[in-house]
Amino acid sequence: ETGVTQSPTHLIKTRGQQVTLRCSSQSGHNTVSWYQQALGQGPQFIFQYYREEENGRGNFPPRFSGLQFPNYSSELNVNALELDDSALYLCASSSGTASLNTEAFFGQGTRLTVV
Amino acid sequence: AQKVTQAQTEISVVEKEDVTLDCVYETRDTTYYLFWYKQPPSGELVFLIRRNSFDEQNEISGRYSWNFQKSTSSFNFTITASQVVDSAVYFCALSEGKTSYDKVIFGPGTSLSVIP
Repeated sequence: ETGVTQSPTHLIKTRGQQVTLRCSSQSGHNTVSWYQQALGQGPQFIFQYYREEENGRGNFPPRFSGLQFPNYSSELNVNALELDDSALYLCASSSGTASLNTEAFFGQGTRLTVV
Repeated sequence: AQKVTQAQTEISVVEKEDVTLDCVYETRDTTYYLFWYKQPPSGELVFLIRRNSFDEQNEISGRYSWNFQKSTSSFNFTITASQVVDSAVYFCALSEGKTSYDKVIFGPGTSLSVIP
């Protein structure tokens, strides 16, 4: 086990709704990254939070937003859900940024289905 | 532009056979990192190895070995004497050293099935 926990594990939402996914990072880690993994594809980087601030973003629209809390846990919020948002959402925690010698530990993911 | 290609979509081998998973990457940077992750059916990505662009030394860890060749932009992964527990999707990934954040570009993955 990596020590990174995500909740919920599965979720079904209706198109147009909003969803919040949660991630508790590994103890001692101050950086959280979120990835979207569509079925049969590799994960795609959504954004990263470092010490409560967004530190980088991939090619995702503004309706994908996030937060990081003082204890370094994080939330991913998606507004106006679309069918194509159905995917496995993975959270990864690591210590520091730009210091790529740190290893990222992934959670087990949240499987989101939009109907 | 950064890109990771894993040409093998699915591979099936019989237990105890050796298998090599191919990975080819593209980057303009001279400083970058390469990774391999394993994703079992449970969904969690399991870190296997990280290699930086200045270290072309091949590595062996138990039944796993990695062959990094900058000349061909390849970072191949070999499993020796495969076991059923090796069945999973394997991802090769790239992270560039000069970005201010640890954006990791993943390949599409290779699904490995080890048949008993």
